[in-house]
Amino acid sequence: KQEVTQIPAALSVPEGENLVLNCSFTDSAIYNLQWFRQDPGKGLTSLLLIQSSQREQTSGRLNASLDKSSGRSTLYIAASQPGDSATYLCAVRSDSWGKLQFGAGTQVVVTP
Amino acid sequence: EAQVTQNPRYLITVTGKKLTVTCSQNMNHEYMSWYRQDPGLGLRQIYYSMNVEVTDKGDVPEGYKVSRKEKRNFPLILESPSPNQTSLYFCASSSWGPSNNQPQHFGDGTRLSIL
Repeated sequence: KQEVTQIPAALSVPEGENLVLNCSFTDSAIYNLQWFRQDPGKGLTSLLLIQSSQREQTSGRLNASLDKSSGRSTLYIAASQPGDSATYLCAVRSDSWGKLQFGAGTQVVVTP
Repeated sequence: EAQVTQNPRYLITVTGKKLTVTCSQNMNHEYMSWYRQDPGLGLRQIYYSMNVEVTDKGDVPEGYKVSRKEKRNFPLILESPSPNQTSLYFCASSSWGPSNNQPQHFGDGTRLSIL
């Protein structure tokens, strides 16, 4: 059974510092990995999706890497801003029916 | 605007009183799914649907029903709600195909409290 882990559970950084969020998964047979952002009281916003054949994906200040063989993905957020404060979730799709297996998330606080 | 819409956003009700949470998407997606989010347990899939009239159980289906009579709608039904179904619920949708690598889109969530 696929298990997804995110460490650390919480992270606080000063504004301007780069953020590095980690996600690990136990079964390397995945279709894709998706990073989400969740704000308090809000839904999940999709940030990046990396297909299993890809090594990384970029969008603006966000860059996500994928190393399937080691079961790891890293989300980098450059030059963090207070508006980046949120919980970041990674989710792995490893079945053909589309179910996402989520990590518990990393709660990020960016202080001005 | 492409979106997944859930209603209601918040609901407080009592044990045993049937309720329905609606979910609608305007992206013509084949795949729709329900998740619940609980502290310490993360998000877990309740039910999913590959297309109209095609549904199947996820990881935690007990106490829930779904139907998919139209492509855009996927309601979640709690026929006899109990306090352990107090949770934050999310509906999601995506396009689907043999090499499905499309992102899943989520609604804003429905916070249910069962007293």
